[in-house]
Amino acid sequence: DIVLTQSPTTMAASPGEKVTLTCRASSSVSYMNWYQQKPGASPKLWIYGTSKLASGVPNRFSGSGSGTSYSLIISSMETEDIATYYCQQCCSTLTFGSGTKLEIK
Amino acid sequence: EVQLQQSGAELGKPGTSVKLSCKVSGYNIRSTYMHWVNQRPGKGLEWIGRIDPANGNTIYAEKFKSKATLTADTSSNTAYMQLSQLKSDDTAIYFCAMRLPLAYWGQGTLVTVSS
Repeated sequence: DIVLTQSPTTMAASPGEKVTLTCRASSSVSYMNWYQQKPGASPKLWIYGTSKLASGVPNRFSGSGSGTSYSLIISSMETEDIATYYCQQCCSTLTFGSGTKLEIK
Repeated sequence: EVQLQQSGAELGKPGTSVKLSCKVSGYNIRSTYMHWVNQRPGKGLEWIGRIDPANGNTIYAEKFKSKATLTADTSSNTAYMQLSQLKSDDTAIYFCAMRLPLAYWGQGTLVTVSS
């Protein structure tokens, strides 16, 4: 089974700072999806197909990558971006990464 | 509007079973796979498996093959997951979700295993 490793586990960013979250796969995958989860809430689809923003996602978010290395990038951190972000690969079976908790500095 | 409404919190004793439901409105579940995901307290998301409600075919993550049983009732547009031989380690929030990527999620059902 493919294992997804996210880094860092936790990070703090200042408002306006650029943020890069990384997801590495143990084997090459075709694309990556990302989910945002806030405390006490269900996960929300955030980025799909590596770089497509889900409905309602601010355009300060972007996604990139290929093969075994993928990134979620926030061009300018905002308070509302505080959450845990999970990467996910598919497709006959699904795997989630362990998550990156993003905090405000 | 697509909505997934999950059943209420469950308290189960060790060794017993619980059956969770996920009722879908605004979308015919015959047209999609229904997935189940859990989240242990303070931990990340873990995929349990998925069912194709159109034919009942299922795929499970290896560690859940003897723990979870997925079914679906297309007449009521509802998916179900039974968890058997409950242990304290099964205490978690269980989510149903659908479409790939997982664009729609239920609100989650808290299962607490305690004697």
